Amino acid sequence: SQKIEQNSEALNIQEGKTATLTCNYTNYSPAYLQWYRQDPGRGPVFLLLIRENEKEKRKERLKVTFDTTLKQSLFHITASQPADSATYLCALDSDSSYKLIFGSGTRLLVRP
Amino acid sequence: NAGVMQNPRHLVRRRGQEARLRCSPMKGHSHVYWYRQLPEEGLKFMVYLQKENIIDESGMPKERFSAEFPKEGPSILRIQQVVRGDSAAYFCASSPLPGGRDSPLHFGNGTRLTVT
Repeated sequence: SQKIEQNSEALNIQEGKTATLTCNYTNYSPAYLQWYRQDPGRGPVFLLLIRENEKEKRKERLKVTFDTTLKQSLFHITASQPADSATYLCALDSDSSYKLIFGSGTRLLVRP
Repeated sequence: NAGVMQNPRHLVRRRGQEARLRCSPMKGHSHVYWYRQLPEEGLKFMVYLQKENIIDESGMPKERFSAEFPKEGPSILRIQQVVRGDSAAYFCASSPLPGGRDSPLHFGNGTRLTVT
């Protein structure tokens, strides 16, 4: 079955630095991958979607890469701010395009 | 334009009681999804509904759980005879098209169910 792995350890960085989060997957070749942000006590908020034929996608300070050979996506936040502190989830489509498989998320802490 | 509305935000039930979780999708969205999140785990798909139809309930436990999305009113996730293992955060999401590459999901803030 499909499996997604995100680093369970929190990422702690200094304000202004670039945060890089990793999402690895196995046993599947997804057509697309999504990244969401989740704050404590809130629902996930969609950030970016990248398709299998795209290497990279950018949106303001966010950048996502998708390496189908390595079966890995990297999520970058440049010039990080304390307000970027949250848990970031990656999600893949499954055998049904509408059914997402979520990773357990990586918590990001940006120190002022 | 209000987002996805879920209520109640917190629900406490004793073992054996029924839990009813409600979800009003975003205006114009006819596709609704329910996900469950256990502590330190990822969200798990439960069910996908369109108005008056269950499209995919492959993630729902076979017993005690049911979902509906009537022509009028919110979508309801119903858990009968709750057990402690049902304690989790239940999130509803909606989309204007079938969720996926062309229509990412809009989530509500969830209902946190605690079974005592």
